[in-house]
Amino acid sequence: EDQVTQSPEALRLQEGESSSLNCSYTVSGLRGLFWYRQDPGKGPEFLFTLYSAGEEKEKERLKATLTKKESFLHITAPKPEDSATYLCAVQESTNAGKSTFGDGTTLTVKP
Amino acid sequence: DTGVSQNPRHKITKRGQNVTFRCDPISEHNRLYWYRQTLGQGPEFLTYFQNEAQLEKSRLLSDRFSAERPKGSFSTLEIQRTEQGDSAMYLCASSLSGQSSGANVLTFGAGSRLTVL
Repeated sequence: EDQVTQSPEALRLQEGESSSLNCSYTVSGLRGLFWYRQDPGKGPEFLFTLYSAGEEKEKERLKATLTKKESFLHITAPKPEDSATYLCAVQESTNAGKSTFGDGTTLTVKP
Repeated sequence: DTGVSQNPRHKITKRGQNVTFRCDPISEHNRLYWYRQTLGQGPEFLTYFQNEAQLEKSRLLSDRFSAERPKGSFSTLEIQRTEQGDSAMYLCASSLSGQSSGANVLTFGAGSRLTVL
């Protein structure tokens, strides 16, 4: 069965203090790894899809990378508006209809 | 398109009652998913449809839960004889199927929060 583990559970940063979030996964054939952002009281919002080891995607202050066993979400010079829960999810190559999510990392950026 | 719409946003019910949630997906999307999320946890897969066909249902899902997607458009999720453990946020999402880069990217609604007293 697919497994996704995210660490740390919570991360508190000062504005401008860069850091990384980790997503370790076990899947029998990866179709894609997805990063979502979730604000309190809202549904998750798509950020990135990564398909193969070595792939990188960037969007503003966020950069996602992928290896065969884990993915990192790097946050460069974060701002308070980056505060949210970041969720990682995987899809199997044989069952793209089901996404398995981790429990997320809750990021708080203090001004 | 207004995105994925879910109703009601909040539902408070007494144990043993039945509840129904509705989801209206993005009109071009042929796949529709239901997830459940509790505080501090990630979304947990419940079931998904491709058009009107229910293709997978979580084996962890009680028989008290049933979902339908008549005509391949909106979907309903019904919970019969609710229990306190059913209290959660019920999230609906939709996507396109296929192999293109945008396929299988989930667009979520804002969720329906259920509280069972």
